[in-house]
Amino acid sequence: EPEVTQTPSHQVTQMGQEVILRCVPISNHLYFYWYRQILGQKVEFLVSFYNNEISEKSEIFDDQFSVERPDGSNFTLKIRSTKLEDSAMYFCASSYTENSPLHFGNGTRLTVT
Amino acid sequence: AQKITQTQPGMFVQEKEAVTLDCTYDTSDPSYGLFWYKQPSSGEMIFLIYQGSYDQQNATEGRYSLNFQKARKSANLVISASQLGDSAMYFCAMSLSGAGSYQLTFGKGTKLSVIP
Repeated sequence: EPEVTQTPSHQVTQMGQEVILRCVPISNHLYFYWYRQILGQKVEFLVSFYNNEISEKSEIFDDQFSVERPDGSNFTLKIRSTKLEDSAMYFCASSYTENSPLHFGNGTRLTVT
Repeated sequence: AQKITQTQPGMFVQEKEAVTLDCTYDTSDPSYGLFWYKQPSSGEMIFLIYQGSYDQQNATEGRYSLNFQKARKSANLVISASQLGDSAMYFCAMSLSGAGSYQLTFGKGTKLSVIP
């Protein structure tokens, strides 16, 4: 069964550094998302992406965050200058239509020191 | 604003028994979707089951069924014949349809422990 792939599975970075989290959505999916889960807390929506542009974003997704689909397969989340509070599990997800279930990747655990 | 409530932070169930995980939601939108996801200790999010607000029948997927009571705004997950591998966090989530994309709102989750 096709799946969403995220790399790396775990990334450690120093405060103030830029980090790029990578995702390969399911190939025929058209809608892409990033969610995050701070340890022990609920999963929170960050951003959705469709037709090569952001369709929605939450208040968490400030100017430090950006997303890109640089080619036909990858979907990336960039954090320009990481803060300690950015430490979380980041999930990429994709769906075929706006009304079909999201399929999540295995997540990238980001640790900011 | 939509809201998802999972009142059971933790649940225990004997292997092979059935268990119900509670979820209530709040929205004024007539069109919405309800989801359950499983998160094992390894961290990934696994889609289990989906119920649309206009679906007449309760959703079922193998050992998972969703007890959808629209008037009570509840969408409880029923797992039949529990297995040790069912031990995990379970999240209920809701989306609003027609928003152009899926912004899921998650509950805080229920940690299910299956006892041998």
